[in-house]
Amino acid sequence: DSGVTQTPKHLITATGQRVTLRCSPRSGDLSVYWYQQSLDQGLQFLIQYYNGEERAKGNILERFSAQQFPDLHSELNLSSLELGDSALYFCASSVAPGGGIEQFFGPGTRLTVL
Amino acid sequence: EDQVTQSPEALRLQEGESSSLNCSYTVSGLRGLFWYRQDPGKGPEFLFTLYSAGEEKEKERLKATLTKKESFLHITAPKPEDSATYLCAVQARSGGGADGLTFGKGTHLIIQP
Repeated sequence: DSGVTQTPKHLITATGQRVTLRCSPRSGDLSVYWYQQSLDQGLQFLIQYYNGEERAKGNILERFSAQQFPDLHSELNLSSLELGDSALYFCASSVAPGGGIEQFFGPGTRLTVL
Repeated sequence: EDQVTQSPEALRLQEGESSSLNCSYTVSGLRGLFWYRQDPGKGPEFLFTLYSAGEEKEKERLKATLTKKESFLHITAPKPEDSATYLCAVQARSGGGADGLTFGKGTHLIIQP
């Protein structure tokens, strides 16, 4: 158990809908990352937050957005969902931003878009 | 663009049969190379961080090494519980301040009793 929690574990929804995924980082970690894992693309970095502020964006679609709240939990919002958005979504956290610092992953949310 | 290529894609070994997994990378300034283990349907589990060429780290039956172009994960006398997908990732000195990792597709390792 990494100490990172994610809810829900599974989510099934329809195309065009909007969902929210939630993540609580490890106690003491200030930086949160979101990743998407699909069979064809592998694990891809989406976005990073540090202490409530957006720090960097990766391959995140404009239909997706995220935020980190004062209690440091984070939410990833996915809207206008398409079949291709079906994937595992992971949250990771680290004690701080910066190079070479270990990121610890949560158990993931499996999103199925029908 | 940062790239990570892992080989082989899949590897089947007998219990006790040692082997190595390869991770080749192209990155604009390496800040760290990470190894993770992932079991089916679960999140990646952190194993090692390597920072510079020549560095080695060990944990139980696993040893990770790093050169300027690749990293190896050596597994010695593996057991069935070592069966998993092993992921390699790099963190680059990007200009955007991003600390996100670039992952390879992984090596699916099966250890048969």
